[in-house]
Amino acid sequence: DAKTTQPNSMESNEEEPVHLPCNHSTISGTDYIHWYRQLPSQGPEYVIHGLTSNVNNRMASLAIAEDRKSSTLILHRATLRDAAVYYCTTYNFNKFYFGSGTKLNVKP
Amino acid sequence: KAGVTQTPRYLIKTRGQQVTLSCSPISGHRSVSWYQQTPGQGLQFLFEYFSETQRNKGNFPGRFSGRQFSNSRSEMNVSTLELGDSALYLCASSRRGQGADEQFFGPGTRLTVL
Repeated sequence: DAKTTQPNSMESNEEEPVHLPCNHSTISGTDYIHWYRQLPSQGPEYVIHGLTSNVNNRMASLAIAEDRKSSTLILHRATLRDAAVYYCTTYNFNKFYFGSGTKLNVKP
Repeated sequence: KAGVTQTPRYLIKTRGQQVTLSCSPISGHRSVSWYQQTPGQGLQFLFEYFSETQRNKGNFPGRFSGRQFSNSRSEMNVSTLELGDSALYLCASSRRGQGADEQFFGPGTRLTVL
């Protein structure tokens, strides 16, 4: 199975940038990389996804390594509402494989 | 537009019983995926349906099954419930169920097996 590995937790100060890393060393050439986040008692929420190039949207940026074995989710200015568990996933063999996620704590 | 809805939101069952969970995807989405989330195992893929056909299945026993209707609504069934089936069951919909599509998750159904 395709696997992703992420740090268990990270901490950030409010209004500072946050870089959340993810390793997906078994990714194959056509697998997309997705990021979702989950607040307590809610379903996961889509954040961003990409294939090869870096991607930007209103929520975040996704930086994908040239060899595609890792990626980084960038929150440009963390707010208290960004405190959540962030999941990096890959779409491989028609399935999404979720890692264990990174719990992001944002300090005021 | 309306998001993904799941019913019921909470369910309490006893061992040996069976349960059916329902998921209504976003209008126009033809793919519905189901996931089990537990503190120990995280988010695990159960199965995915597209146009009433199961396309993919995760590593779960045959007690877990599902189906999709012509209006894309989906149900999953768990028979002969075990204590270890206690979990949050999430469904997610997308347009085509491919890697290029973002998934939209519902709020989940919290199942407790006593």
